[in-house]
Amino acid sequence: EVKLVESGGGLVQPGRSLKLSCAASGFSFNDYWMGWVRQAPGKGLEWIGEINQDSSTINYTPSLKDKFTISRDNAQNTLYLQMSKLGSEDTAIYYCARDCTTVVTDYFDYWGQGVMVTVSS
Amino acid sequence: DIQMTQTPSSMPASLGERVTISCRASQGISNYLNWYQQKPDGTIKPLIYYTSNLQSGVPSRFSGSGSGTDYSLTISSLEPEDFAMYYCQQYDSSPLTFGSGTKLEIK
Repeated sequence: EVKLVESGGGLVQPGRSLKLSCAASGFSFNDYWMGWVRQAPGKGLEWIGEINQDSSTINYTPSLKDKFTISRDNAQNTLYLQMSKLGSEDTAIYYCARDCTTVVTDYFDYWGQGVMVTVSS
Repeated sequence: DIQMTQTPSSMPASLGERVTISCRASQGISNYLNWYQQKPDGTIKPLIYYTSNLQSGVPSRFSGSGSGTDYSLTISSLEPEDFAMYYCQQYDSSPLTFGSGTKLEIK
């Protein structure tokens, strides 16, 4: 069974940093692209970015490229999201997801349950 | 960035009803369009990928169609578990972008 479990969320002060983790199991982690999506309270889904199998390609939404860093550790089957200079606009549920990428497809076929990040003083 | 305009934003409907949700891209996206369902508890799952391909395990009452800039998700006969949020997403170009969502509500 594919499982994705996010952790590391919580309350953080404005301007500080936070690192989220996503533990993957039930599949061969190093065979898949992985990604992050967030959802602000009462809002829709926002794509943050994605990383390929060997971390040689990482794509971000432009507005977050200078604040967020996606990485992975294939030995630990873990995906990461390092967030810096956090502001209230970053308050959201953060989801990690497995990316099903082929020549014609690019969709998230499994999602974690999400982890809440609240930026507030 | 490609903007995805999803309509309607909310839709009251009845059990057994056929419903269609629309998604319009700000430019052609060559059928690179996915649909997702989000339940009230936050759980998200894919329904349709590459415009019309049904994700494994998704009931056949869900279908997708479209081309160019205009796409749609149709549920042929609503079941109780279908009342949820629905999002389209384009992957023609980065950054990938989602529609603003459609809330399917019980009438």
